[in-house]
Amino acid sequence: EVQLVESGGGLVQPGRSLRLSCAASGFTFDDYAMHWVRQAPGKGLDWVSGISWNSGSIGYADSVKGRFTISRDNAKSSLYLQMNSLRAEDTALYYCAKVVLRFSPSDAFDIWGQGTMVTVSS
Amino acid sequence: EIVLTQSPGTLSLSPGERATLSCRASQSVSSSYLAWYQQKPGQAPRLLIYGASSRATGIPDRFSGSGSGTDFTLTITRLEPEDFAVYYCHQYGSSPPITFGQGTRLEIK
Repeated sequence: EVQLVESGGGLVQPGRSLRLSCAASGFTFDDYAMHWVRQAPGKGLDWVSGISWNSGSIGYADSVKGRFTISRDNAKSSLYLQMNSLRAEDTALYYCAKVVLRFSPSDAFDIWGQGTMVTVSS
Repeated sequence: EIVLTQSPGTLSLSPGERATLSCRASQSVSSSYLAWYQQKPGQAPRLLIYGASSRATGIPDRFSGSGSGTDFTLTITRLEPEDFAVYYCHQYGSSPPITFGQGTRLEIK
């Protein structure tokens, strides 16, 4: 079964850091670009960051550029999001998502995890 | 950045009726890199349509997508009770940034 499981969320004070992880199974992780998408409580979907299959291409939303860093470890079939200088507006459920096609630079997201909640509050 | 505007914000229909959801882009979406997702409360989004008109694996044929350029449509023929949810469009042709529409809530009338 193709599966993504996020972890690492929690309650953190403004200005602090948090590292999210996404463990993949059931597919050849090395072959697919991966993304992080967040959803604030009661709000819509908001793309955060994406990374190509070989980490050669990385992109960020303007709202997190310079504060968040995406990375992956293909040997461990894992995706990460290092979040620094967290703000109240970063409070959201963070999903990792897999793209449809192998080696595709631009693609829809066919598999999503269940998300990990990040709450930024003092 | 390509802004996606979905309409209507809320659509009230009865089971068995036809639903037509719109997604309009502020600029042309290259190569029809436009997807549609369904999200139910407490669940992750589910991919319905990609490439503007290709159904994802396991999606019933009552769901169809159409459009190109700046105007896209998701059509659900013969609504089933399980189809009432929030629907999002998503463009991935001009990235970064990838963008989503604000969503259309499909509710039971």
